[in-house]
Amino acid sequence: AQSVSQHNHHVILSEAASLELGCNYSYGGTVNLFWYVQYPGQHLQLLLKYFSGDPLVKGIKGFEAEFIKSKFSFNLRKPSVQWSDTAEYFCSISSGSARQLTFGSGTQLTVLP
Amino acid sequence: EAQVTQNPRYLITVTGKKLTVTCSQNMNHEYMSWYRQDPGLGLRQIYYSMNVEVTDKGDVPEGYKVSRKEKRNFPLILESPSPNQTSLYFCASSLKASGIGEDEQFFGPGTRLTVL
Repeated sequence: AQSVSQHNHHVILSEAASLELGCNYSYGGTVNLFWYVQYPGQHLQLLLKYFSGDPLVKGIKGFEAEFIKSKFSFNLRKPSVQWSDTAEYFCSISSGSARQLTFGSGTQLTVLP
Repeated sequence: EAQVTQNPRYLITVTGKKLTVTCSQNMNHEYMSWYRQDPGLGLRQIYYSMNVEVTDKGDVPEGYKVSRKEKRNFPLILESPSPNQTSLYFCASSLKASGIGEDEQFFGPGTRLTVL
């Protein structure tokens, strides 16, 4: 079975601070990795995804994530956050043959103006 | 506009009164899925469907039913709702079931259900 852990439940930053949200997964084989974002009152939207190739993936709105296979991690980063980045962020994984997308419990990011 | 729609968006009901939450997508996607979102637990999959007439249980299927008679629709049925089913529900779809590992899922706007 696959599982995802997001250790930071709530992160509070000031504008222009750098962001790193942790994501660790558990699965023995090849996985595909995603970060979704949920802005207040809205549905989930895809930020970025990793399937293969360059482990540093760039997504929308200046976000990036690095896949470190040896650490089973896929941390999300942004050099300088904005107030509009306030949202809940979900890491998720899917194995190649799986029919399910498994989500972490989410990290609420609050950016103070 | 390509989208996933859900109805109703908000619903308050009482224990035991059957209800259906509809989900429809206009993108000709093969794969559809239902999730519930609860604080501290993230999203948990209830049921999914690989294609018409093909459905399977997710992680938390108890108390729910689904059907997939048409490609575009995937209703979620609660035959006898209970208070522990109070939650925020999301429907999602993606292009190909065989490529679920690689395909982005598109989410609906959510249905907030309260069972008294």
